[in-house]
Amino acid sequence: DGGITQSPKYLFRKEGQNVTLSCEQNLNHDAMYWYRQDPGQGLRLIYYSQIVNDFQKGDIAEGYSVSREKKESFPLTVTSAQKNPTAFYLCASSTLIGRGLAYNEQFFGPGTRLTVL
Amino acid sequence: GENVEQHPSTLSVQEGDSAVIKCTYSDSASNYFPWYKQELGKRPQLIIDIRSNVGEKKDQRIAVTLNKTAKHFSLHITETQPEDSAVYFCAASIIQGAQKLVFGQGTRLTINP
Repeated sequence: DGGITQSPKYLFRKEGQNVTLSCEQNLNHDAMYWYRQDPGQGLRLIYYSQIVNDFQKGDIAEGYSVSREKKESFPLTVTSAQKNPTAFYLCASSTLIGRGLAYNEQFFGPGTRLTVL
Repeated sequence: GENVEQHPSTLSVQEGDSAVIKCTYSDSASNYFPWYKQELGKRPQLIIDIRSNVGEKKDQRIAVTLNKTAKHFSLHITETQPEDSAVYFCAASIIQGAQKLVFGQGTRLTINP
């Protein structure tokens, strides 16, 4: 199941703490994404990045921050400003259209389940 | 922005029967429509996708149809098997560099033996 990995698998946080979720990919993909999944709901985009040192907000960016210092890595920090952070977090990566590729599948990592105590 | 509605939220069919899941989207500029399958506790995996210049695409027992005028697309699974039991998500996006997918709410499909 290589390609894109996330750690840890489970994470527990006390209220008021910041936590950072790791996402690494060895697929040489330019684009990386963070989604949040809540029970009974679809995936919602938090942040995405098309290139190193650049990223854009998704639909639910409030209370989250990211960085993209390396092509392979896109860590997500869940800050204390996120009021309801308990959820399943999924990282994904893809190629960019314009590289001569017609196929642009997003590959997902195994996810991190965050619980606030 | 884009909004994707998916129905039904749960679907139960007898093994061997067909299953159909439907999605509608709001942004007429969307041009890419993937379907993901997520088994319990696992990551979503792409099972089929379709682009707006195609009306139908088939891959063995799975097919997707797209009606751009009505802005809806559907997933069809024929000859269902127990391993088809999972949550299925549709999504829509505009392909511009990165791919900002907007997902439907998901359909929990159960195949009864």
